[in-house]
Amino acid sequence: EAGVAQSPRYKIIEKRQSVAFWCNPISGHATLYWYQQILGQGPKLLIQFQNNGVVDDSQLPKDRFSAERLKGVDSTLKIQPAKLEDSAVYLCASNKGEGGAYNEQFFGPGTRLTVL
Amino acid sequence: AQKVTQAQTEISVVEKEDVTLDCVYETRDTTYYLFWYKQPPSGELVFLIRRNSFDEQNEISGRYSWNFQKSTSSFNFTITASQVVDSAVYFCALSEWTYGQNFVFGPGTRLSVLP
Repeated sequence: EAGVAQSPRYKIIEKRQSVAFWCNPISGHATLYWYQQILGQGPKLLIQFQNNGVVDDSQLPKDRFSAERLKGVDSTLKIQPAKLEDSAVYLCASNKGEGGAYNEQFFGPGTRLTVL
Repeated sequence: AQKVTQAQTEISVVEKEDVTLDCVYETRDTTYYLFWYKQPPSGELVFLIRRNSFDEQNEISGRYSWNFQKSTSSFNFTITASQVVDSAVYFCALSEWTYGQNFVFGPGTRLSVLP
């Protein structure tokens, strides 16, 4: 079974530029998560999707971050415009069923973003 | 609001020593789930265990064991006879039931096992 795929693995941009990250969850997984992990900290949940719908986006900085999940499968996270403090690893995770955050999450390798 | 504290930022042990990683949590909910994840140097988080708030039985899986105590709001993780491959950052996490599926990670404990 293929794992959670993310691309790109690394991205370097200048502040005020835009960037997008892509995630393909494990086949059949209804729930998809985006996390931001700043160096030396635990992952922080940005947004959680259940199929096409948003379950929780309370910690997503909506003035610059946006996310969508097309047809309940792939997802894209965008930052526009980026700030220095957005430098972090962006992790995508997925799990199956209605249990959502109560079930084991499977994580992708992450995208390391550096904003100069 | 829910919160997870891992007071140990970094721990170093010599191979074959036992080591315990502490996790203390705060929640207003009576139904919740606790997790441990491992993040090796490669960066990909790996699930280790899940516990719900009604199951206080300790669990052992090979060299790993977990001690859940609701009375002290703790969910500690012990590695017996540590190995170099255990070197990683370990995260404790909490998900509440009643107040939505808020999922919160602790700050992590970096474990270094020296040969």
